[in-house]
Amino acid sequence: DAEITQSPRHKITETGRQVTLACHQTWNHNNMFWYRQDLGHGLRLIHYSYGVHDTNKGEVSDGYSVSRSNTEDLPLTLESAASSQTSVYFCASSGNLYNEQFFGPGTRLTVL
Amino acid sequence: KQEVTQIPAALSVPEGENLVLNCSFTDSAIYNLQWFRQDPGKGLTSLLLIQSSQREQTSGRLNASLDKSSGRSTLYIAASQPGDSATYLCALWNFNKFYFGSGTKLNVKP
Repeated sequence: DAEITQSPRHKITETGRQVTLACHQTWNHNNMFWYRQDLGHGLRLIHYSYGVHDTNKGEVSDGYSVSRSNTEDLPLTLESAASSQTSVYFCASSGNLYNEQFFGPGTRLTVL
Repeated sequence: KQEVTQIPAALSVPEGENLVLNCSFTDSAIYNLQWFRQDPGKGLTSLLLIQSSQREQTSGRLNASLDKSSGRSTLYIAASQPGDSATYLCALWNFNKFYFGSGTKLNVKP
């Protein structure tokens, strides 16, 4: 069955370190998204991609970057982790804008 | 800017009750609206997707409606069960952005 996976599921890191969160989907979807979920803020869009080599900033993109070198993967990089980036991160994908979004299981990131 | 509101924030009902969850939005220019369920510590599971041209969608005990003119969607759950306990979120596409509501936390008591 097609699926979307994230790794690691839990990560603890220190302030200032570079961190990369992986997202892999086997749906062959063009669109991929990264969100963070925080109490009091709900889900917020970080970055998104509509296809290979396409990336776009969401509403909370500062301090994050993505690159899309193939259809299946959209890794999210925190260039220099900050305590404010402690959150649960979700990756999602969809075939096109009119289709359902499917979410991964999430990565819980703690920045100390 | 699009705003998505879900009321109530929490709801507790006895098993077997029919219930309605509400989602309201301020800008009717949407591509589609999607309802999700989220269990504690888990990801989001898609329940129903309504395209902007549709009025409702049904899946099993779930029925979602969409009224763009009033900026409202409802999720109807028939004959609720304890396994329905979760947080329910609505989300919609509007001008290249996906907007989420803050969710309704549902508790169905046995």
